[in-house]
Amino acid sequence: DTAVSQTPKYLVTQMGNDKSIKCEQNLGHDTMYWYKQDSKKFLKIMFSYNNKELIINETVPNRFSPKSPDKAHLNLHINSLELGDSAVYFCASSTDSENTEAFFGQGTRLTVV
Amino acid sequence: KNQVEQSPQSLIILEGKNCTLQCNYTVSPFSNLRWYKQDTGRGPVSLTIMTFSENTKSNGRYTATLDADTKQSSLHITASQLSDSASYICVVTDRGSTLGRLYFGRGTQLTVWP
Repeated sequence: DTAVSQTPKYLVTQMGNDKSIKCEQNLGHDTMYWYKQDSKKFLKIMFSYNNKELIINETVPNRFSPKSPDKAHLNLHINSLELGDSAVYFCASSTDSENTEAFFGQGTRLTVV
Repeated sequence: KNQVEQSPQSLIILEGKNCTLQCNYTVSPFSNLRWYKQDTGRGPVSLTIMTFSENTKSNGRYTATLDADTKQSSLHITASQLSDSASYICVVTDRGSTLGRLYFGRGTQLTVWP
């Protein structure tokens, strides 16, 4: 069973469109994350969310919004896509304990044309 | 500022050889340090985790060391295999931050040639 699953794996779309990436975890974790990995392979956190609060990296444009229908899901919605949004987006989850480990999904490669 | 720096940025070795990857960090207060392996097209997978009191931890052919005084860690790979070709990412967790609490290095891209 996949622990953290994302869909779709690949997404090609035109500038200006709105798109969503879905993420689900079956680990019973409290906290979920979205990361953006740029062309230089650097993983940068976008959002951290648990049932208590949503924490947003201040550098993330407000065109990006996380939506959590329940504890096991954290979807990423992107409005008015731009060329610079092209990247690989990773969803991850972890427990809320101190020595926590983040389990990652397989990534979604977004290409904006 | 909390940071994690890795070196080298990339490394090419021949199959069967050993190599060592470095990680320096300034994250404080320190909770733990992990090494992740990321295969091309996949998400990162944890290899080892070390807390403040641990100096070394092994996982098969992977051995990680931690010097919490100098804030340095290394990942030693023994008898490399072609499947070791991947990006190795050092991740440090702090106790204070609430935004993800995970600080990522930029990774070392390891290529193992036959």
